[in-house]
Amino acid sequence: QSALTQPASVSGSPGQSITISCTGTSSDIGGHNYVSWYQQHPDKAPKLMIYDVNNRPSGVSNRFSGSKSGNTASLTISGLQAEDEADYSCSSYAGSSTLLYVFGTGTKVTVL
Amino acid sequence: QVQLVESGGGLVKPGGSLRLSCAASGFTFSDYYMNWIRQAPGKGLEWVSYITSTGSPIYYADFVKGRFTISRDNSKNSLYLQINSLTVEDTAVYYCARQSSGRSFDYWGQGTLVTVSS
Repeated sequence: QSALTQPASVSGSPGQSITISCTGTSSDIGGHNYVSWYQQHPDKAPKLMIYDVNNRPSGVSNRFSGSKSGNTASLTISGLQAEDEADYSCSSYAGSSTLLYVFGTGTKVTVL
Repeated sequence: QVQLVESGGGLVKPGGSLRLSCAASGFTFSDYYMNWIRQAPGKGLEWVSYITSTGSPIYYADFVKGRFTISRDNSKNSLYLQINSLTVEDTAVYYCARQSSGRSFDYWGQGTLVTVSS
């Protein structure tokens, strides 16, 4: 199964904004408004940060925002903080019985 | 608070089998769809299987090829994954994840490591 494409790494200084892209196809990202983003610190479980393209779960900082254009989704982190250093993965509903969900390749965010 | 606790992982030889379990608490388990998602060492997340609140329908990723069986026991607030005919490519941390009312995964367990090696 094909993964969504993310940059391997993105970095920024504290206070800056960064954007992580997530590119799929018309069968996943382009075909559904069900893109979600997950934060994962080393040896920890993933944490939902954004769902349904641009919605934040309760308790997630408003510094995190999501968007989508065509087959590409994006996660923006504003006012970058040291605690944001982690791996970030996107996911999209794909709708096939043998590929219900597809995940991204993952992006390591480094706070300089 | 919502808790998902996986167990059952371990070291197994190629061709072997394991039964993974996920104990849920802090929410009405029978109301939620559940999924298994895995992550090979140093790799990205990969969706494995899905089961509805009632146990049907069930879906599997193509790579499962009839080797895995997902099930649940709502009376025991538990989710299971029977994995057979294991190969080295199945080495991964296996997470159980609760599906939100939409199509995202709002709670995850801490994962259980399955290592397939001779």
